Amino acid sequence: EAGVAQSPRYKIIEKRQSVAFWCNPISGHATLYWYQQILGQGPKLLIQFQNNGVVDDSQLPKDRFSAERLKGVDSTLKIQPAKLEDSAVYLCASSAVGESSYNSPLHFGNGTRLTVT
Amino acid sequence: AQSVTQPDIHITVSEGASLELRCNYSYGATPYLFWYVQSPGQGLQLLLKYFSGDTLVQGIKGFEAEFKRSQSSFNLRKPSVHWSDAAEYFCAVGYSTLTFGKGTMLLVSP
Repeated sequence: EAGVAQSPRYKIIEKRQSVAFWCNPISGHATLYWYQQILGQGPKLLIQFQNNGVVDDSQLPKDRFSAERLKGVDSTLKIQPAKLEDSAVYLCASSAVGESSYNSPLHFGNGTRLTVT
Repeated sequence: AQSVTQPDIHITVSEGASLELRCNYSYGATPYLFWYVQSPGQGLQLLLKYFSGDTLVQGIKGFEAEFKRSQSSFNLRKPSVHWSDAAEYFCAVGYSTLTFGKGTMLLVSP
C-alpha cells in the first residue's frame, strides 16, 4: 500500500510570506492529522479531520494557520503570514478510523521542512 | 493535562550492547501507549503499542517495552543494538489524538 504523501519536501520563505503544504493520505483512511515538529521537540497536533470535518483544531493558531480537506481525501495546510517561529517540520498522518488510535495507529508522511528567514 | 517525559535527550550505546529508553507519562487513566521511531528526513514509524493485558509487549525490529502502572512508565528495550537502530525515538500517549514526548536520540558507536 502506498504511504502518506506530502509535498513539498522543503520550503524556504521569508517572514510575512505565505506557504502551503499538501498531503495525500493512505487510500481509505478517514482520519487525517497535521502535526508540527519543531527542532528538538516531539510532534504537536495542529488539526485533526474526520473525513472532511474538523474534529480537533484547538492547538491551531487560527490567526495565521488554516487547513482544509474539501473532499475528505487530500488536505492542505496554509500559513499566512509566516513568522520565524513557524520554522519546523510539518507532518501529515492518517489512520483508518479516528475513534481508537490503538486499533488504527497513525501512518506518517515524511514531512515538509519549512524554514522561515 | 496529559504529558510525556523522556528524560534522556540523547543516548550513546555500543553496537551489540543492550538498550533502554525511558518514558514516563501523566494521564487521567491508563492511556494507549506507543513508541515511534524517526530516522533522519523520515516520518515516524510505529514500533509497538500497549493498552491492556501482558505488561511486556513485543514490537518490530526486536524491540520490546514494559508497562509499569505504579511508576507510570513505559520503557523501551532492545537486547542487542544494531548500527541501523540509530534514530530518534518518541514515546506517545493518548486515545484519538496523541501527545508525544520530546524524543531521545540514539547514537550507536562501533
